[in-house]
Amino acid sequence: ILNVEQSPQSLHVQEGDSTNFTCSFPSSNFYALHWYRWETAKSPEALFVMTLNGDEKKKGRISATLNTKEGYSYLYIKGSQPEDSATYLCAFFLGNFNKFYFGSGTKLNVKP
Amino acid sequence: DVKVTQSSRYLVKRTGEKVFLECVQDMDHENMFWYRQDPGLGLRLIYFSYDVKMKEKGDIPEGYSVSREKKERFSLILESASTNQTSMYLCASSATGPYGYTFGSGTRLTVV
Repeated sequence: ILNVEQSPQSLHVQEGDSTNFTCSFPSSNFYALHWYRWETAKSPEALFVMTLNGDEKKKGRISATLNTKEGYSYLYIKGSQPEDSATYLCAFFLGNFNKFYFGSGTKLNVKP
Repeated sequence: DVKVTQSSRYLVKRTGEKVFLECVQDMDHENMFWYRQDPGLGLRLIYFSYDVKMKEKGDIPEGYSVSREKKERFSLILESASTNQTSMYLCASSATGPYGYTFGSGTRLTVV
């Protein structure tokens, strides 16, 4: 079983705070990393697809960076809003098995 | 709108019952997956299939089986449900390659 670790496990912030969390993955055999956002009672939805070392992706107030050599990715949320409350999952793609390995997620709660 | 549809949102079954969880996708994806999600453990892969009638064990296949008779449908079978199979079950599909998953909305199964 391949180890993908996310930290912290949960995070409570006030509206307007900026926050970030980490996904760590094996640095060898890197193929792709995905970030998903999973709101309660909904399906996980894809946020970012990251494939190149040094990749930086942005969608509104949310951005992500990737370091494949050291095996980590950061997700940043600027000026958190209550609607950002969700579990954020990262998934490491192992190409030779054509499947993703998921971290356990970071559960974000943004208080108004 | 592309979809992965899981047949039940909530399900309550008795210990020892045979349970079928159905998943249907309309995207002509080759790959389909069954995960379970438990607090603190993230998404764990039970089984996946990369073609009709093909199946591969994931990380936690014990107590489960699957069926893929048609490309669009992937069924998860609990041969004899046990209380430790109480969980959230997520189905996903993907095209071949690191293209990310499309998830169903999940089935919360309670075995009593």
